[in-house]
Amino acid sequence: EPEVTQTPSHQVTQMGQEVILRCVPISNHLYFYWYRQILGQKVEFLVSFYNNEISEKSEIFDDQFSVERPDGSNFTLKIRSTKLEDSAMYFCASSGYWVNYEQYFGPGTRLTVT
Amino acid sequence: KQEVTQIPAALSVPEGENLVLNCSFTDSAIYNLQWFRQDPGKGLTSLLLIQSSQREQTSGRLNASLDKSSGRSTLYIAASQPGDSATYLCAVLKAAGNKLTFGGGTRVLVKP
Repeated sequence: EPEVTQTPSHQVTQMGQEVILRCVPISNHLYFYWYRQILGQKVEFLVSFYNNEISEKSEIFDDQFSVERPDGSNFTLKIRSTKLEDSAMYFCASSGYWVNYEQYFGPGTRLTVT
Repeated sequence: KQEVTQIPAALSVPEGENLVLNCSFTDSAIYNLQWFRQDPGKGLTSLLLIQSSQREQTSGRLNASLDKSSGRSTLYIAASQPGDSATYLCAVLKAAGNKLTFGGGTRVLVKP
């Protein structure tokens, strides 16, 4: 069964460093998403991407964040200058209209900022 | 702004008992609702999706109901097993292709 994959599974970085989180969505899905979950808190939406552009973003997704679909398979989230409060589990998801927009999630990348 | 609430936050039951998990949302204009399972430190596994036009959806021992007008969904898990121990999350989708808004989850422990 097709699945969303994410790399790395765990990333440790120092405050102020740039990180890139990578995702391979399910092929032939058209909608892509990033969510995050701070330990003990709700899963919260960051950004959605459709037709090669951002379709919606939350107030969390400020100028320090960017997304890219550099080729036909990868979807990346970049954080330019990480802060301690960026420590969280980051989930990528994808969906398509033929699955009634059901969102399929990857296993997540645990980002630890020290 | 859509708010999703799950009560109780935690639940402990003996093996074999049926589980009833509640989800409520403030804006009834939804496209669909998904129930997820999350194991500690892991990703989200989609269990069931209910379209806004549906009242119920079933998969094996799982049954989810939706009352859109009152802003409620219930997930029933029949004959619980220790392997059902996990956190269960509900999330609502406002429109096709939109973001999901999540509840805080119900942490379930099924004791052998």
